[in-house]
Amino acid sequence: AQSVAQPEDQVNVAEGNPLTVKCTYSVSGNPYLFWYVQYPNRGLQFLLKYITGDNLVKGSYGFEAEFNKSQTSFHLKKPSALVSDSALYFCAVRVGGTDKLIFGTGTRLQVFP
Amino acid sequence: DARVTQTPRHKVTEMGQEVTMRCQPILGHNTVFWYRQTMMQGLELLAYFRNRAPLDDSGMPKDRFSAEMPDATLATLKIQPSEPRDSAVYFCASGLGGIGEKLFFGSGTQLSVL
Repeated sequence: AQSVAQPEDQVNVAEGNPLTVKCTYSVSGNPYLFWYVQYPNRGLQFLLKYITGDNLVKGSYGFEAEFNKSQTSFHLKKPSALVSDSALYFCAVRVGGTDKLIFGTGTRLQVFP
Repeated sequence: DARVTQTPRHKVTEMGQEVTMRCQPILGHNTVFWYRQTMMQGLELLAYFRNRAPLDDSGMPKDRFSAEMPDATLATLKIQPSEPRDSAVYFCASGLGGIGEKLFFGSGTQLSVL
C-alpha cells in the first residue's frame, strides 16, 4: 500500500538558515509526491509536486524538494528560512491509479528570529 | 480568486444530534474529497467523489457517516448520531482530477461534540 512517513514531529531552525523537512515514501509503481503547508486555522495549501522529470522540484515561496529514488525520499528544502515559514507541513502521495491523496502525519516547522 | 467554501466554520453540538457540513467546490472541478484532521490521527481521507459519483468511502464509519453530492456545486457530510469522538476539523477539497493535479482545500469545519 502507498504511504508516506514524516519522521520528525517538529523542526526548529533560525531565521536565515537553511531548512529541511524530511519525507520518505513507499509506493508500488511510479511515485506521485506532493508537499502542502497549513497555516493556523486554515486549510492546506499546495507547495509543489513531483510527477516525473527533474529530481529537483521548485515550488511556491522559495521552497524546493529533492526526489531521491534510491533512498525513497522527497525532502522539502529552503535555502534561507523566514519566520513566516513557521507552519505545519505535509508530505503526500497519490495512490496509484486513483485520485486519492494520502498524507503523512505532518511536521511542524518553527523558525526563530 | 476561486476557492472552496465550507460551512459552518464552527459547530458545537451535543452527543446524539445530527450534524451536516457543507462544501462548495471550485467551479469546474470534478473531484471532491472529505478529510478529517485530529491531533491523534492526523489527516484521514473519509470519502471522495469524481463527477459527483462516490468512488471511495472506505475511510468513513458507515453506520453514522454519509457523504453526498446533490449537485456539482454542493457536497455534504452528515453525522447521525454524533459522538464526542467525532470532534475534529473536517476539510473539503476539490480538484481537476488526474495524477498530477493539486487539491484546493477549504478552511474547514471545526466540530465539537459534547
